[in-house]
Amino acid sequence: QKEVEQNSGPLSVPEGAIASLNCTYSDRVSQSFFWYRQYSGKSPELIMSIYSNGDKEDGRFTAQLNKASQYVSLLIRDSQPSDSATYLCAVNRDDKIIFGKGTRLHILP
Amino acid sequence: DAGVIQSPRHEVTEMGQEVTLRCKPISGHDYLFWYRQTMMRGLELLIYFNNNVPIDDSGMPEDRFSAKMPNASFSTLKIQPSEPRDSAVYFCASSLVTSSYNEQFFGPGTRLTVL
Repeated sequence: QKEVEQNSGPLSVPEGAIASLNCTYSDRVSQSFFWYRQYSGKSPELIMSIYSNGDKEDGRFTAQLNKASQYVSLLIRDSQPSDSATYLCAVNRDDKIIFGKGTRLHILP
Repeated sequence: DAGVIQSPRHEVTEMGQEVTLRCKPISGHDYLFWYRQTMMRGLELLIYFNNNVPIDDSGMPEDRFSAKMPNASFSTLKIQPSEPRDSAVYFCASSLVTSSYNEQFFGPGTRLTVL
C-alpha cells in the first residue's frame, strides 16, 4: 500500500462549482496533513494545512481530516479557471513529508 | 523576503558528466530537503538536513548521488556520473524546526536533462 494515495485525475469541474479532492494515507501516527498546489512548470506551494479532525476553512478552500478513516480532503468552492493545477496531498512522517502523486484539476470555463 | 533560491534553473548535460545543483534556503530555516520529481514517480524525497547535518538519505537512488550542506545558507546535490534516467526536476525546500508543523517552502527547481 502506498503511503499517500490520490486519484491522478484529471478531475474536470465546471467554473463556479465545488471541486472535491481526496487523499488516503497509511501511517496512523501521522499528525500533520498538507495540500500543495502545483501549476504546470512551477514548484509546489502550500495552500492548506490541517492537524486536527474536522474541517478547516480558508477563503474558498476547506480541508477535511478524518484520522479514524485515514482520509484527507480538499474542497474548493466557486471554482475558478485559475484553480486549474495539480493538487498534492502530503503527510508528515517524523520530520519529513511524504507526498502523493497529485490530482490534476481542470476547471471548465 | 527572498524565497528558496536554486541554480541553475536548467541544465543539459551528456551522460557521464558530473552535475552539481545548488540551493540557498530561506534564512533562519533549520531544515533543508532535496526532492526529485518525474511524471512516473511523482515527488520523491532524496535527502534532508537538520542544522546542516544529513538526517535521512534513504531516498538517494544510488552512490552516484551525493549531497552536502557546508553551512546554513548553502547546499549542493551532486550526480557523478550522470545518466539519462536522472533527467527530472530537482527541487530544494526548506522549513522551520517545528517538526510537527513541517510546512515546507520550495525553490523554483532545476530541470535536468541528461542526453
